Amino acid sequence: AQSVAQPEDQVNVAEGNPLTVKCTYSVSGNPYLFWYVQYPNRGLQFLLKYITGDNLVKGSYGFEAEFNKSQTSFHLKKPSALVSDSALYFCAVSRNTGGFKTIFGAGTRLFVKA
Amino acid sequence: NAGVMQNPRHLVRRRGQEARLRCSPMKGHSHVYWYRQLPEEGLKFMVYLQKENIIDESGMPKERFSAEFPKEGPSILRIQQVVRGDSAAYFCASSQQGGQNSNQPQHFGDGTRLSIL
Repeated sequence: AQSVAQPEDQVNVAEGNPLTVKCTYSVSGNPYLFWYVQYPNRGLQFLLKYITGDNLVKGSYGFEAEFNKSQTSFHLKKPSALVSDSALYFCAVSRNTGGFKTIFGAGTRLFVKA
Repeated sequence: NAGVMQNPRHLVRRRGQEARLRCSPMKGHSHVYWYRQLPEEGLKFMVYLQKENIIDESGMPKERFSAEFPKEGPSILRIQQVVRGDSAAYFCASSQQGGQNSNQPQHFGDGTRLSIL
């Protein structure tokens, strides 16, 4: 069955340190992968996506994500965290065949401490 | 700002009443999705619509819930005879093309927070 997992409910990091938010997926065929961010009382905002090509994808606000096919992972990273990065992050997976729906992970809450 | 517009932002209803949630997609977008989010939980897909058609309603409860996206006007998510368990944030998203199995990102509104007294 197709699925996406965000193994950490919460990630804590100090401001200025690198951050990683993990995502793994299970889907047959070639996936489309997305990261979204949600601030309090707001909708999800698109950060970046992987469709094909270069495994390292750069997105908004200095975020990037690395697609690793062998590990079926798409971890979100940022070299230097900001307090304003504190939010809820969602990984999502889709695919272009077979009527596959976009599936969202359960979300990971990121706390960046000053 | 021509983003996805949802209204109302907050809606309070008593048990047994009807709730109507509206969503105007981004300009040029013909695909609309509705999701439900409970506190501290992820998004649950409810329904995917294109103009005048329901494409996938596999996430919608069989009773009391309905959705439409008419030729003119916003998409409407309708909940009849609301119960306490319907309290949640309901988000609408739109995309330009391709539907659920697409490489296009979805653009989200800021949601309607439904509270049932």
